[in-house]
Amino acid sequence: EVVLTQSPGTLSLSPGERATLSCRASQSLGNSYLAWFQQKPGQAPRLLISVASSRAPGIPDRFSGSGSGTDFTLTISRLEPEDFAVYYCQQYGGSPPTFGQGTKVDIK
Amino acid sequence: QVQLQESGPGLVKPSETLSLTCTVSGASIRSDYWSWIRQPPGKGLEWVGFINIRASPYYNPSLGSRVTMSLDTSKNQFSLRLTSVTAADTAVYYCAKGRTLPDSWGQGTLVTVSS
Repeated sequence: EVVLTQSPGTLSLSPGERATLSCRASQSLGNSYLAWFQQKPGQAPRLLISVASSRAPGIPDRFSGSGSGTDFTLTISRLEPEDFAVYYCQQYGGSPPTFGQGTKVDIK
Repeated sequence: QVQLQESGPGLVKPSETLSLTCTVSGASIRSDYWSWIRQPPGKGLEWVGFINIRASPYYNPSLGSRVTMSLDTSKNQFSLRLTSVTAADTAVYYCAKGRTLPDSWGQGTLVTVSS
């Protein structure tokens, strides 16, 4: 099973600032089958990014993903009030699919 | 736009069977893969399994032989059964569209295992 480790656990930032979230895999992800999800309290996760860097339909371009192999990054270029949430990475190339433990982005 | 809605009991007794149904609208369950994912309160996400009309279902090995998924094409629904539940199975259960990359999710339903 591929273990995903996200860092930091919590990121405290102000609106307008840049957020950089990390996801490290325990083994190399072939084809960069790495996705990012956003989850707000009481809501289901929402797909933001797939294949490490491809934005899902309707996702603003302030969200970007990068990386390959074992190291991946989600960047939010300028935080909007609605971006404060928990973010999960997920690998979907290995069996079973697995999620990281999440990074909470909260208001400083 | 596809929509998914979970339904089922919110409380299950230990050692009994958890049964949930997901009703799909806006898409035919014949045409894609469908998954269950769960999230214990305050914790992260765990893949339960996926199913497709043309292939054998896949279940997370961590759940062993306790899990079964099925499709009802006449109702455009798919279902989850989890036997011999314990408190560790208490979670919000989400149904989703996708084999291993869920691109549409239901709102989730909390199932509590307690006597």
